[in-house]
Amino acid sequence: AQKITQTQPGMFVQEKEAVTLDCTYDTSDQSYGLFWYKQPSSGEMIFLIYQGSYDEQNATEGRYSLNFQKARKSANLVISASQLGDSAMYFCAMRETNAGGTSYGKLTFGQGTILTVHP
Amino acid sequence: ETGVTQTPRHLVMGMTNKKSLKCEQHLGHNAMYWYKQSAKKPLELMFVYSLEERVENNSVPSRFSPECPNSSHLFLHLHTLQPEDSALYLCASSQDTGTGIIYEQYFGPGTRLTVT
Repeated sequence: AQKITQTQPGMFVQEKEAVTLDCTYDTSDQSYGLFWYKQPSSGEMIFLIYQGSYDEQNATEGRYSLNFQKARKSANLVISASQLGDSAMYFCAMRETNAGGTSYGKLTFGQGTILTVHP
Repeated sequence: ETGVTQTPRHLVMGMTNKKSLKCEQHLGHNAMYWYKQSAKKPLELMFVYSLEERVENNSVPSRFSPECPNSSHLFLHLHTLQPEDSALYLCASSQDTGTGIIYEQYFGPGTRLTVT
């Protein structure tokens, strides 16, 4: 079963507007972490934001915020005031705590959403 | 140099060649990873090294052979590859303490590999 689902293959937004990229996940772990990464055409994966499963408040990082709804198992990324440089592929990823509590990281990625910002 | 670096950035090799990908992290992390990104597929974890010990091998064919001589360097040795191995190979590192605390992974720019 797919653990991370990104249902939007592509999204378009006008410059300076906000956009929400969807992510739902599936896990039976109580302790897990959710990440969003940005991948420009150059290929590098850029870490954007992190939400821990026990964090009570939604994570925010500059223009990025994570709309975490634990009961619905969703972790949507909200980008406010979009810029042309935001055009890229965006990946949602999850890391579950391994059995025994070890934390070396197996990240499971979604399929990604291509965001295009129009001027 | 800062962050995670990878060399070469582009590599074209024949199926009978032997080559190596190199990754170096300058972040003081103690865990390193190899991921494979094929077109239209999610990133796939290949190998995990924690404290220079391989802790995960995700059913990767033996034509891919990782090496981690120290916590800052990670190699992926390639031999007798197939055309379907053409992909972007990404290296990442993170701080892992074994305490259950989850840290983000930082990625390098990747090596775009083409097997002819």
